[in-house]
Amino acid sequence: NAGVTQTPKFRVLKTGQSMTLLCAQDMNHEYMYWYRQDPGMGLRLIHYSVGEGTTAKGEVPDGYNVSRLKKQNFLLGLESAAPSQTSVYFCASFEGRRTDTQYFGPGTRLTVL
Amino acid sequence: KQEVTQIPAALSVPEGENLVLNCSFTDSAIYNLQWFRQDPGKGLTSLLLIQSSQREQTSGRLNASLDKSSGRSTLYIAASQPGDSATYLCAVPGNTGKLIFGQGTTLQVKP
Repeated sequence: NAGVTQTPKFRVLKTGQSMTLLCAQDMNHEYMYWYRQDPGMGLRLIHYSVGEGTTAKGEVPDGYNVSRLKKQNFLLGLESAAPSQTSVYFCASFEGRRTDTQYFGPGTRLTVL
Repeated sequence: KQEVTQIPAALSVPEGENLVLNCSFTDSAIYNLQWFRQDPGKGLTSLLLIQSSQREQTSGRLNASLDKSSGRSTLYIAASQPGDSATYLCAVPGNTGKLIFGQGTTLQVKP
């Protein structure tokens, strides 16, 4: 049981380049989330999904797209990276019951030059 | 709009001290509150989850309390150890299960 995994762990992009971050969970959770963590700003929600084939915008969705084609995977895409997207990205999954916690991946550290 | 605040932002204590971390939230209509630990360069690990019907939750040397009416939670760490050094985050749920986080308290326990 690997929990929540994220690929890649580190990445450096040039402005304008594109990339996809992959999040995978093996707990059969319905809900998945992408957060970004920035100094002084805390963790903020980018996009989320409440089930396979569904996605919705969070607090800071601009510049990102997501897809949830399979229940276990949640992809975060940057079509044209900007320096403002330099951050640490965390994926989380959640079964959906109020007694449950969210499980977080180890993070992806992205630098956009 | 729910806002979560943690005080202090940073704390340095000698090993063995008991300490309290504070978390406050503006909207008391929550069904639970969670405390997480984050080590440098790592992800978040859930420490304690308190349901709104509970007042306290304990795990080892950690004790978390919740007072919904006053919009406050505290995390008490007994007999602190250098291994407790980390950033501690509290979070409350928003709609669709998303979490709203405080900015964290960075704890350093000196040997």
